[in-house]
Amino acid sequence: AQTVTQSQPEMSVQEAETVTLSCTYDTSESNYYLFWYKQPPSRQMILVIRQEAYKQQNATENRFSVNFQKAAKSFSLKISDSQLGDTAMYFCAFMKQGAQKLVFGQGTRLTINP
Amino acid sequence: GAVVSQHPSWVICKSGTSVKIECRSLDFQATTMFWYRQFPKQSLMLMATSNEGSKATYEQGVEKDKFLINHASLTLSTLTVTSAHPEDSSFYICSASGTSGGDSPKTQYFGPGTRLTVL
Repeated sequence: AQTVTQSQPEMSVQEAETVTLSCTYDTSESNYYLFWYKQPPSRQMILVIRQEAYKQQNATENRFSVNFQKAAKSFSLKISDSQLGDTAMYFCAFMKQGAQKLVFGQGTRLTINP
Repeated sequence: GAVVSQHPSWVICKSGTSVKIECRSLDFQATTMFWYRQFPKQSLMLMATSNEGSKATYEQGVEKDKFLINHASLTLSTLTVTSAHPEDSSFYICSASGTSGGDSPKTQYFGPGTRLTVL
């Protein structure tokens, strides 16, 4: 079974700083997808970014980028120029190819301070 | 696009009563819907997966007779908590995924959640 581990329960940075959230996963699959979801205080889950394992290029969405290290089974999220609205719980998730289910990590609570 | 709604957003009920939560995909056809439960400050726990027109597949440890799931159309799934008890109080979240071509994953889009309190 796949597992996803987020080793940082909480993080806090100042506005405009860059922050990196860690995620590691365990799988024997070679083809899969990785996701970062954000859950702000409203509790609405929002897709931040996704990465296909077969792609070597790291995904980027505006201020959000990932560092995908397939051999190390690591999938970290970097938030540049952090904003107050980035304050949220961030969940890393795994989906094997052809599957429907997401496997979530425990989450990292990120606080952006003014 | 890819908007999922849930109704109600919160509900309070008495112990022993049943509560129905609706999940709708507003702008796409959801071939698969998922129901999650989330305890405070914890991650999402998948309860069941439902495909339109088929019986739901429940995760291990989830009582299917207590948490009834119906996915009768491509835009609507319902979760009914039967004979609710205080321990069923939680935040319930649905998600939906639709058809996608090629090798793309079927991204899940989430509803805003329903807070259930059983007195």
